[in-house]
Amino acid sequence: EAQVTQNPRYLITVTGKKLTVTCSQNMNHEYMSWYRQDPGLGLRQIYYSMNVEVTDKGDVPEGYKVSRKEKRNFPLILESPSPNQTSLYFCASSFLGLAGAGANVLTFGAGSRLTVL
Amino acid sequence: RKEVEQDPGPFNVPEGATVAFNCTYSNSASQSFFWYRQDCRKEPKLLMSVYSSGNEDGRFTAQLNRASQYISLLIRDSKLSDSATYLCVVNDLTGANNLFFGTGTRLTVIP
Repeated sequence: EAQVTQNPRYLITVTGKKLTVTCSQNMNHEYMSWYRQDPGLGLRQIYYSMNVEVTDKGDVPEGYKVSRKEKRNFPLILESPSPNQTSLYFCASSFLGLAGAGANVLTFGAGSRLTVL
Repeated sequence: RKEVEQDPGPFNVPEGATVAFNCTYSNSASQSFFWYRQDCRKEPKLLMSVYSSGNEDGRFTAQLNRASQYISLLIRDSKLSDSATYLCVVNDLTGANNLFFGTGTRLTVIP
């Protein structure tokens, strides 16, 4: 089954304890992206990647790191989590293209709810 | 100015009503347009791609107006199950082919 898998789905942690949220897709998509969603603010992009070893900052990259060593994986790293990073996180992927034939249609993971105390 | 803007709502409509949402985008070079549906605390899921000629899927109709740079979603004969947040998504061809989300429009269909 074509899917994007995020782990963990739920996590409660404490300030300063490094954590990684993994994201893996089995569709050979070039594009992958991380978003956070907070009440009243919609989806905000953290980082995105157009292909292996190519990553770029989104709207809210502060406090986060990513890597894209393999096409299928795009982990989100919080080196020193803080309470303002408490949020619902989504990973998504798609084929890239100008338009048509499924290009740019995002498939989302089920989300990771992170609480930083 | 935001890349993509939507009226956040909420839209509260009775069952059977017709409701329309608009979404404006800032980049005239954009070529891919989508509507996603998101249920509370779930991941967004593709509702429809939006094509230049407009497209229809059952009770849902999507339109693109390039001259005025907006896309629209029309829902006819609203059902209770249509209650959700509707997100518009537009790609950006300036440099990288990134995708931009609107903040979403909340729809509640009332019995």
